[in-house]
Amino acid sequence: GENVEQHPSTLSVQEGDSAVIKCTYSDSASNYFPWYKQELGKRPQLIIDIRSNVGEKKDQRIAVTLNKTAKHFSLHITETQPEDSAVYFCAPGGIWGGSEKLVFGKGTKLTVNP
Amino acid sequence: DAGVIQSPRHEVTEMGQEVTLRCKPISGHDYLFWYRQTMMRGLELLIYFNNNVPIDDSGMPEDRFSAKMPNASFSTLKIQPSEPRDSAVYFCASSYISGANVLTFGAGSRLTVL
Repeated sequence: GENVEQHPSTLSVQEGDSAVIKCTYSDSASNYFPWYKQELGKRPQLIIDIRSNVGEKKDQRIAVTLNKTAKHFSLHITETQPEDSAVYFCAPGGIWGGSEKLVFGKGTKLTVNP
Repeated sequence: DAGVIQSPRHEVTEMGQEVTLRCKPISGHDYLFWYRQTMMRGLELLIYFNNNVPIDDSGMPEDRFSAKMPNASFSTLKIQPSEPRDSAVYFCASSYISGANVLTFGAGSRLTVL
């Protein structure tokens, strides 16, 4: 099965700084790479995803980059704001004939200090 | 659509009692997932269904856990008998495969077993 690791497990930044969270995976068949955000007491929600035929995707202040050769992908948040404080999960998996199930990493707790 | 609906939101029970958690997926979604979240183990996939058929139950901890999906709009996760180590937040999520496995989570059921 898929082994997923996230680093770091906790990250504290000052408001306005950038944050980067890295996710490594083991299954070379994975071709879908999403990031979920979970605020305290809330449900996980998809914030950005990327497919294996694309190296990078941006959506305003967040971006995801993929290195399929090295089997890792990263979440980048620029100009961080206090409302970015949450736990972020990666969940590499398959689409288009791959495994439907998404295995979640252990999460990265991001704290943005005002 | 009202999203994925879970009930109860909170359940407090005593060890040995039967617990039933319920989930109504988004209409039209053909995949349903049950996850368990704890601080120690993160988000664990317990079981998932496709078109009401269980596909992978390898994450179900033991025989005390069972899940059913009698129709496209309803699923249950049952724990019998419950134990204190079952205390967790149980999330149901649904999705449809249309080029990406985007999970929409319910609000979760927080279970406390005394």
